[in-house]
Amino acid sequence: GQQLNQSPQSMFIQEGEDVSMNCTSSSIFNTWLWYKQDPGEGPVLLIALYKAGELTSNGRLTAQFGITRKDSFLNISASIPSDVGIYFCAGQYSNTGNQFYFGTGTSLTVIP
Amino acid sequence: ETGVTQTPRHLVMGMTNKKSLKCEQHLGHNAMYWYKQSAKKPLELMFVYNFKEQTENNSVPSRFSPECPNSSHLFLHLHTLQPEDSALYLCASSQDNSNYGYTFGSGTRLTVV
Repeated sequence: GQQLNQSPQSMFIQEGEDVSMNCTSSSIFNTWLWYKQDPGEGPVLLIALYKAGELTSNGRLTAQFGITRKDSFLNISASIPSDVGIYFCAGQYSNTGNQFYFGTGTSLTVIP
Repeated sequence: ETGVTQTPRHLVMGMTNKKSLKCEQHLGHNAMYWYKQSAKKPLELMFVYNFKEQTENNSVPSRFSPECPNSSHLFLHLHTLQPEDSALYLCASSQDNSNYGYTFGSGTRLTVV
């Protein structure tokens, strides 16, 4: 199946720093989603993007739908210890119910 | 609480045991999914059910057997598993023909000894 590549694979940052991660695909997507998975839990939806170029925020998180429709970006500003977890992107080809494909994940560690 | 409940949260089983994982969703969704998440590997889609019908089976070994009696409940029956089957098994649900994404349960951490 379709694989989305996320980078970086892992990040270790100091509390208060900003974080950037991205997701790329060989295919054009119509929908991009960003999820966060806390240790020992399932992924939880953070942000949904539906239009090329769209920039959407959720608190300290901002995500963008790349103009080429083959990539997406997630930024976290002023990181805090509870930002620790694995961040997944997910993409969908069509708005008519096709499957979502998940990225390989970015593991974030925040050092207090 | 996401609206998708998985039980048990943790399971340890021997290679000759038979056990079942249960997933229940209270969101009115009509599609349900089983994913396997192993350490340092991407999420692996195992099974997809739309309106109780299985629409995808990603070459999963027959020792994993899904069951979807109605659109709110999904089971994964396990028998004669191998140690490499130890992983976090995640259930998710969604509304078919929707681009709102999946809602995941908290997962069952399975250890095969």
